[in-house]
Amino acid sequence: SQQGEEDPQALSIQEGENATMNCSYKTSINNLQWYRQNSGRGLVHLILIRSNEREKHSGRLRVTLDTSKKSSSLLITASRAADTASYFCATRMDSNYQLIWGAGTKLIIKP
Amino acid sequence: NAGVMQNPRHLVRRRGQEARLRCSPVKGHSHVYWYRQLPEEGLKFMVYLQKENIIDESGMPKERFSAEFPKEGPSILRIQQVVRGDSAAYFCASSPVPGTGNTGELFFGEGSRLTVL
Repeated sequence: SQQGEEDPQALSIQEGENATMNCSYKTSINNLQWYRQNSGRGLVHLILIRSNEREKHSGRLRVTLDTSKKSSSLLITASRAADTASYFCATRMDSNYQLIWGAGTKLIIKP
Repeated sequence: NAGVMQNPRHLVRRRGQEARLRCSPVKGHSHVYWYRQLPEEGLKFMVYLQKENIIDESGMPKERFSAEFPKEGPSILRIQQVVRGDSAAYFCASSPVPGTGNTGELFFGEGSRLTVL
């Protein structure tokens, strides 16, 4: 079953602006992962944050995790046209091999 | 290092035919997942396998669908007697053995897009 829910479902911003996507989940987790999917392609792992971490950075990406609210956000700073893609969050529950996926946020960066 | 290789990338079948999708995981990965994705939607889990063993097939329809990951060779997702509703992108992902210090990150192939006429 899908436990992650991303919002917004779609986001359209101008190049250079920051893009923020949110993910909520329902059960306790071991870690939360963000993936990107370009149109017609497979998913690519972007960043992982463990349940005992609150914030993590990777290049222009910043991920936060609030376990009390069971939510995470992905911030992409200084967006580029190449960031146009769908972004999915996936949670890995404690002692469980499964990744539970959200429905994704479709991000469009306008040049 | 080669990533996850899926073939064919595109497959067209007529109703009633069989579709066979192949997935070669990242070298050294012993665990394979199959997902299905409809246009503009998220991933739907189908089956999780390790070599010669199905760990979890709870997302796979009981009829017409089967999956295997033999000791040698790629993982195969087989759909018998395809119907139009089977048209979708099928993604394979692999990971190292869970619980061995890795975090459960998945490595995805580019997908196989099945069209049933």
